[in-house]
Amino acid sequence: QVLLVESGGGVVQPGKSLRLSCAGSGFSFTTCGLHWVRQVPGKGLEWLAVTSYDGNYKDYADSVKGRFTISRNNANNTFYLDMNSLRAEDTAVYYCAKDAGIYSGLPHDSFDVWGQGTRVTVFS
Amino acid sequence: IVMTQSPATLSVSPGETATLSCRASQSFGNYLAWYQQKPGQVPRLLIYSAYTRATGVPARFSGSGSGTEFTLTISSLQSDDFAVYYCQHYTYQARWTFGQGTKVEMK
Repeated sequence: QVLLVESGGGVVQPGKSLRLSCAGSGFSFTTCGLHWVRQVPGKGLEWLAVTSYDGNYKDYADSVKGRFTISRNNANNTFYLDMNSLRAEDTAVYYCAKDAGIYSGLPHDSFDVWGQGTRVTVFS
Repeated sequence: IVMTQSPATLSVSPGETATLSCRASQSFGNYLAWYQQKPGQVPRLLIYSAYTRATGVPARFSGSGSGTEFTLTISSLQSDDFAVYYCQHYTYQARWTFGQGTKVEMK
């Protein structure tokens, strides 16, 4: 079974940091690009960040550029989102998602597997 | 890039056909996907490359369009289909942008 499992969400004060993790299983993790997407409850989906299969390409939405960092550890089939300088408007459910393409230096495929989501609340 | 979905809410009776629209502010080819999200659930890929159904998606879901105008059609709507539907252009140039969603509700 193809699975992505997030962890690391929680309640954090503004200005603080948090690291989200997403562990993959049931597929060839090292061949796939990976994304982070968030959703404010009751609102739409916002793409945040992407890393290529080998970690050499990374890109970010303007809303998080300079504050969030995506990374991956192919040795343990896990990728991460390090979130710094958190703001109240970062409060959302965060999803990891797998790019359907393989060995793509610049991921450009649909998101065929999603994690269950982890909730982040930035609250003072 | 702006992805505009219409209508925001669509009221449909079971058995009827729902037609959802997605318009991109510029063309990014057919790198267009549709996702379904039910309340409290994770988004699910329905359609990619504008018209190709993902694995396990029923044939009543169909995608069409090109350029900047795309459509998701749900034929013979079933109770399980009431959900929010998002379109997305999944390219670097489009910044993997999602539309704001169309809620399909029971009439």
